[in-house]
Amino acid sequence: DGGITQSPKYLFRKEGQNVTLSCEQNLNHDAMYWYRQDPGQGLRLIYYSQIVNDFQKGDIAEGYSVSREKKESFPLTVTSAQKNPTAFYLCATEGGERSDTQYFGPGTRLTVL
Amino acid sequence: SQQGEEDPQALSIQEGENATMNCSYKTSINNLQWYRQNSGRGLVHLILIRSNEREKHSGRLRVTLDTSKKSSSLLITASRAADTASYFCATDRSNDYKLSFGAGTTVTVRA
Repeated sequence: DGGITQSPKYLFRKEGQNVTLSCEQNLNHDAMYWYRQDPGQGLRLIYYSQIVNDFQKGDIAEGYSVSREKKESFPLTVTSAQKNPTAFYLCATEGGERSDTQYFGPGTRLTVL
Repeated sequence: SQQGEEDPQALSIQEGENATMNCSYKTSINNLQWYRQNSGRGLVHLILIRSNEREKHSGRLRVTLDTSKKSSSLLITASRAADTASYFCATDRSNDYKLSFGAGTTVTVRA
């Protein structure tokens, strides 16, 4: 987890509200990723960014939005258009000497009431 | 889209025993990686094996890759209680730079 922080660890929101999850890294990695994990399942890619001011949709981008204004930061907004937002959200980075390896943050568990 | 599929879904072993789990995938890959996830935490990278490699070791971990069968195996030798976790394979597809993760194998090591 070192070098990547996600906040908050737990987040509760009412249905219909937008919520933004934070991901910050001090690894100086160019690429950043957002994944969603549901119980008993693997990770599904939401959005990714290979470089500042550029990002691409992943496999399940609908109902989510991101920005990449700084190299260190890649916030994810879960909008009211996301039908089932309750999940565990993981941010990851990739870069440096081991450029094929992804490094993960500790995750944010979002519960929509 | 999930390209990797782990087998078995769950595994329970006694401390000191070996644990073996398998991963199958569908399309050509550049490399295959294994990650570990402790309950409620982020994933931790364990080992990467490239498509031109057949076997790789790291401490008590041994990974094999058979590209003709599109499959990989992860062996954990002399398991410890601390090895209790979920293990995921991830493939780096040869035509893009994204990782595809399987659903994972949950390993429980009994003391």
